[in-house]
Amino acid sequence: QVQLQQWGAGLLKPSETLSLTCAVYGGSFSGYYWGWIRQPPGKGLEWIGEIDHTGSTNYNPSLTSRVTISLDTSKNQFSLKLSSVTAADTGVYYCARGWGRPTWGQGILVSVSS
Amino acid sequence: DIVLTQSPDSLAVSLGERATINCRSSQSVFYSSNNKNYLTWYQQKPGQPPKVLIYWASTRESGVPDRFSGSGSGTDFTLTISSLQSEDVAVYYCQQFYSPPRTFGRGTKVEIK
Repeated sequence: QVQLQQWGAGLLKPSETLSLTCAVYGGSFSGYYWGWIRQPPGKGLEWIGEIDHTGSTNYNPSLTSRVTISLDTSKNQFSLKLSSVTAADTGVYYCARGWGRPTWGQGILVSVSS
Repeated sequence: DIVLTQSPDSLAVSLGERATINCRSSQSVFYSSNNKNYLTWYQQKPGQPPKVLIYWASTRESGVPDRFSGSGSGTDFTLTISSLQSEDVAVYYCQQFYSPPRTFGRGTKVEIK
């Protein structure tokens, strides 16, 4: 059964770049979308973007100028970078495999504060 | 972008009573080529990632109690909890995976009356 484990810096200053990685255990990249979702404190879920096994990406139009999702199949990992963060980017960030019946990572809280 | 409008924002239901949550899509999420609606329902409890309850709009995930059911097609969908239990207190979300951005509804908070 596939498992996702994510890590990255949990505290950032405004204007810095958020960088998170999600490692995939027990599954291959083929045939799935690999995505990122975030959730501000006390609020709902926001879809950030996705990448497929070929490296093709789709991003939320509200974030597209700042977001990059990449894949490293040799390490069984995919990553999220979000540049020029502000306090509005504070929240729990989840990685996920697939849509419809996704497998989710455990989530990581990222706080942006000066 | 497909906008999902969930209603109500919150509801309080007595134990053992029925809870109904609606999700309306701004455009159809039905693919006629495979006869499937690209919509998932999630349950989220505090401090946890969302848990899949229903996918393809009406297929219950393995291990999910049968008091949870999903219905609807095209643009209008419903999640029903037939007999609310205390462990069902949570926030429920719908998500379309028909096309990117794969948007979520704003969520419905379910509480005990």
